[in-house]
Amino acid sequence: DAGVIQSPRHEVTEMGQEVTLRCKPISGHDYLFWYRQTMMRGLELLIYFNNNVPIDDSGMPEDRFSAKMPNASFSTLKIQPSEPRDSAVYFCASTRDPRRQPQHFGDGTRLSIL
Amino acid sequence: AQKITQTQPGMFVQEKEAVTLDCTYDTSDQSYGLFWYKQPSSGEMIFLIYQGSYDEQNATEGRYSLNFQKARKSANLVISASQLGDSAMYFCAMRDVIIAGGTSYGKLTFGQGTILTVHP
Repeated sequence: DAGVIQSPRHEVTEMGQEVTLRCKPISGHDYLFWYRQTMMRGLELLIYFNNNVPIDDSGMPEDRFSAKMPNASFSTLKIQPSEPRDSAVYFCASTRDPRRQPQHFGDGTRLSIL
Repeated sequence: AQKITQTQPGMFVQEKEAVTLDCTYDTSDQSYGLFWYKQPSSGEMIFLIYQGSYDEQNATEGRYSLNFQKARKSANLVISASQLGDSAMYFCAMRDVIIAGGTSYGKLTFGQGTILTVHP
């Protein structure tokens, strides 16, 4: 089975630009998570979907961040406008059952905002 | 609120030796789960092992085992017969329960990680 697929792997853009990160979860996984990893704050959960519906978005830092899951096989995380402090590695993860099953992570998107 | 503490920023071990990575947690829930992940320098997050709070036996997966001491609220990862490829960052995570719309859901809270270096 294919794992969680994220694109792009790397993104370098200038401050103020819109950034869109993409994720395809593992087929059959009804739960999808977006995380951000930085040296200062470690791994933080940004938002979490179940059956394409956002369940918890309390980790989304501010209104510049938005996430959607239009169908079971695709999700986007958008930052508009981007700022240098958004530079981080963004991970997408999916699972069948977050209570007992592990979350499977994509390879991440390394985002640099200049 | 859930809290995960990994007190060892870095650990060193000789190849073929065993090493223990510490993880303590704080929760008032009776039902919870603990996960360990490995993050090599290439950046991906690899699931290693899971322990449920009601599991009576310590979890094992190949060279990985979990030393689960419920009363002490600790879930240490033991790696036996270390290999050079084990050099990586290791994260302990706890499954948290949140309630939304009358349904309970699980989400993970991660510790800060421990960098393990295996020497030849």
